[in-house]
Amino acid sequence: ILNVEQSPQSLHVQEGDSTNFTCSFPSSNFYALHWYRWETAKSPEALFVMTLNGDEKKKGRISATLNTKEGYSYLYIKGSQPEDSATYLCAFNTGNQFYFGTGTSLTVIP
Amino acid sequence: DTGVSQNPRHKITKRGQNVTFRCDPISEHNRLYWYRQTLGQGPEFLTYFQNEAQLEKSRLLSDRFSAERPKGSFSTLEIQRTEQGDSAMYLCASSHPGQGLETQYFGPGTRLLVL
Repeated sequence: ILNVEQSPQSLHVQEGDSTNFTCSFPSSNFYALHWYRWETAKSPEALFVMTLNGDEKKKGRISATLNTKEGYSYLYIKGSQPEDSATYLCAFNTGNQFYFGTGTSLTVIP
Repeated sequence: DTGVSQNPRHKITKRGQNVTFRCDPISEHNRLYWYRQTLGQGPEFLTYFQNEAQLEKSRLLSDRFSAERPKGSFSTLEIQRTEQGDSAMYLCASSHPGQGLETQYFGPGTRLLVL
C-alpha cells in the first residue's frame, strides 16, 4: 500500500484569504497526480490531472503545482469564497491503481 | 447520460446478510472502479475493470467481496455475510483512457450501514 499524505487535515479561513494545501506521495511508480474537490452530499469532482515534473495547472482561482522528484503537489486557492468550502482530495495514480489521501477539509467563513 | 449513477444510495442491513450494489458508468467509459470510503479516510481502492475484465483487485479485499461487469457496461459489487466493519460509503467511478489521462468521474456513492 502506497502512502499518500495530505496536510493540513482541516482548515478554516476567512472569505478573501488565499490558502494552500499539500499532497505528499512516493517518488517512484509515478504516472499522474489528480486533485479532486468533494462537496458534502455530492460526488468528487475532478480538478486537475498532472503528469510532468514542474507542471502547473490553473482553473479560475485554483491552481496546482507538481514536483515528482521530491513527491509533492500544492493546491492553491486565491481569494477564497464560501462556495470553495469542500474537502480537497489528491490521488496518486500508478497507472494501475489510484491511492487517495485523506483530504483537506476547507471551510471558508463569510 | 449525464454521469455515473449508483443504486441504492443508502442501504441498511443486518450483520450476516448479503448486499449488492449497482454502478452505471458514463456510457463511453470502458474503465470502472470501485472504492470504499470510511469516516476520516480517503477513498480506498477495491477493484477495477477494463470493459468486462477485472484487471486489479486490492489485497485488502476479502473473499466476501465480489464484483462483476458482465457486459462491460454496468457493474455490481456484492458483499456476502456482511460485518459491522463493512459499514462505509462505496463509490464507483468511470474513466476513458483517451480522456484527460484517466480522470475519474465519480458516482454519488452507496452508503452502507451494517447493524
